[in-house]
Amino acid sequence: SQQGEEDPQALSIQEGENATMNCSYKTSINNLQWYRQNSGRGLVHLILIRSNEREKHSGRLRVTLDTSKKSSSLLITASRAADTASYFCATPDTGRRALTFGSGTRLQVQP
Amino acid sequence: KAGVTQTPRYLIKTRGQQVTLSCSPISGHRSVSWYQQTPGQGLQFLFEYFSETQRNKGNFPGRFSGRQFSNSRSEMNVSTLELGDSALYLCASSPATGFGNTIYFGEGSWLTVV
Repeated sequence: SQQGEEDPQALSIQEGENATMNCSYKTSINNLQWYRQNSGRGLVHLILIRSNEREKHSGRLRVTLDTSKKSSSLLITASRAADTASYFCATPDTGRRALTFGSGTRLQVQP
Repeated sequence: KAGVTQTPRYLIKTRGQQVTLSCSPISGHRSVSWYQQTPGQGLQFLFEYFSETQRNKGNFPGRFSGRQFSNSRSEMNVSTLELGDSALYLCASSPATGFGNTIYFGEGSWLTVV
């Protein structure tokens, strides 16, 4: 079963706009990771945020984590056509010692 | 530092055959895990290896197996291939087992079963 679920499933914006994706999860976690996947390619790690952190930045990316609501958000500012990809959140499934992924948000940035 | 390397990138197999996929982790990483990605099921955990030992296994039949060598390189094998095994198989590496570290993925191996 999937622990994390992203919302929305698909998002289409214009270049220069901001894109926000949300992730909800079910059980307590010690960290959450965000990944990007270009069509047909592997997963590229974006950010890892730990449970004691509320916000983290990396370039044009901003990730927040609200453990009380069991949710996280990924904000991409000033989006570019190259940001077109699927974005996944991943949380630890400690029972299986694995990462559990949501179904992803497909982001389309129109030039 | 080189990333996670997977070979082959693309392959086509016939039902009933077997396939072996290879993964070289990032230098110094001792944990290697494998995931299957399909349009219908998304990303699903297959198994994880650490120091040549399988630490855990996902909900896949015994046709899916793997191993890790002393240099941390890993292989996964799928025997008696079925059409439903067509997927992108992703390998990931991490410095250690557990979830305190970032997990890095390779480009994947696209398997098509015909």
